[in-house]
Amino acid sequence: GQSLEQPSEVTAVEGAIVQINCTYQTSGFYGLSWYQQHDGGAPTFLSYNALDGLEETGRFSSFLSRSDSYGYLLLQELQMKDSASYFCAVRVVYGNNRLAFGKGNQVVVIP
Amino acid sequence: NAGVTQTPKFQVLKTGQSMTLQCAQDMNHEYMSWYRQDPGMGLRLIHYSVGAGITDQGEVPNGYNVSRSTTEDFPLRLLSAAPSQTSVYFCASSYRNTAGGEQYFGPGTRLTVT
Repeated sequence: GQSLEQPSEVTAVEGAIVQINCTYQTSGFYGLSWYQQHDGGAPTFLSYNALDGLEETGRFSSFLSRSDSYGYLLLQELQMKDSASYFCAVRVVYGNNRLAFGKGNQVVVIP
Repeated sequence: NAGVTQTPKFQVLKTGQSMTLQCAQDMNHEYMSWYRQDPGMGLRLIHYSVGAGITDQGEVPNGYNVSRSTTEDFPLRLLSAAPSQTSVYFCASSYRNTAGGEQYFGPGTRLTVT
């Protein structure tokens, strides 16, 4: 079976930094992705880590430690538009893109 | 490119009715999948396909059927709708063995079963 743990809600002010954690226990592991979803919208891809370390994409960074079965998404210089749910997803099968998603973490940005 | 399209956007069914949710993509992606999203539950995989003629079950396949006769289309059939199937349904596609892990999602179908 698959288990991905994410804390539920974070509130932060504009300009702050937020870290969203993800610990996973899955039948296979071939990479960790992060997705953003605004209320009423579809998930959109943010980042992907196949190897240990930090990946930076603009204001967002993602980190992976395979030995700890742990990753995080770092949101810097928070903006109001970053208010959304954030999901981690593990690629669980070698050779295709089957993903197992966590329950998500809601980030609320306040002025 | 239209990306991933889904129809209908909203649907209300009575218990026991059947229907098909449509999904199409124009990016020549091999991999397509259906998820349902319930409050507090994240995205759960219903069925997926790694290419035309090939489908497989995900985490929550009961009550749903799929087929993949073309690369572009991946319809999801509800055989006999139940209130427990009230949910938001997302279709997604990607290259089968994409190096970057990205899936492209459609806008979703909001289904209510009464």
